[in-house]
Amino acid sequence: SQQGEEDPQALSIQEGENATMNCSYKTSINNLQWYRQNSGRGLVHLILIRSNEREKHSGRLRVTLDTSKKSSSLLITASRAADTASYFCATETGGGNKLTFGTGTQLKVEL
Amino acid sequence: DGGITQSPKYLFRKEGQNVTLSCEQNLNHDAMYWYRQDPGQGLRLIYYSQIVNDFQKGDIAEGYSVSREKKESFPLTVTSAQKNPTAFYLCASSAPGTGGFGQPQHFGDGTRLSIL
Repeated sequence: SQQGEEDPQALSIQEGENATMNCSYKTSINNLQWYRQNSGRGLVHLILIRSNEREKHSGRLRVTLDTSKKSSSLLITASRAADTASYFCATETGGGNKLTFGTGTQLKVEL
Repeated sequence: DGGITQSPKYLFRKEGQNVTLSCEQNLNHDAMYWYRQDPGQGLRLIYYSQIVNDFQKGDIAEGYSVSREKKESFPLTVTSAQKNPTAFYLCASSAPGTGGFGQPQHFGDGTRLSIL
């Protein structure tokens, strides 16, 4: 079953703009992770935020987590054409590093 | 360079045929995972293994089988019982995630399976 739902399903922006993607989930989590997938490739891990954390940064990425609302957001600042990809959130609930993935947001950054 | 290698990149299955997808990692990770991705969808967990000689069913294990005889290898067999096998299959590995702290999963570049 799908635990996470990303919103929007698709997002098109101009280079230099910020992109925000949201993820909602249904049950309590241990941690939440964001991944990027370029077309036809495997996923690449971006950032992991634990349930007792509220915000994390990595380069141009900022992730927030609101466990009371069961939601997370991924902000990509000053986007580039190379950021064009699908972005997935994944939650770990039961331990053992077993992840449940959302349906993804398809981001297109145009020149 | 450490990483995960999946082969082949493309695979075609005839009706009634079993096919095996290869996944090898040299990251010295204990845990390995198989996912299925359908067009425009997220990943669904087929099987996972947290240690050699042990594995567990994921959410959609029916019609699939795995083995974990070596730490570096986690092959997936798509059996003839899987009636809708056309999909993109992704293998991943990670260090053990203990105490809920979690570990990033590292992915291969996938195998695309189609029915002839």
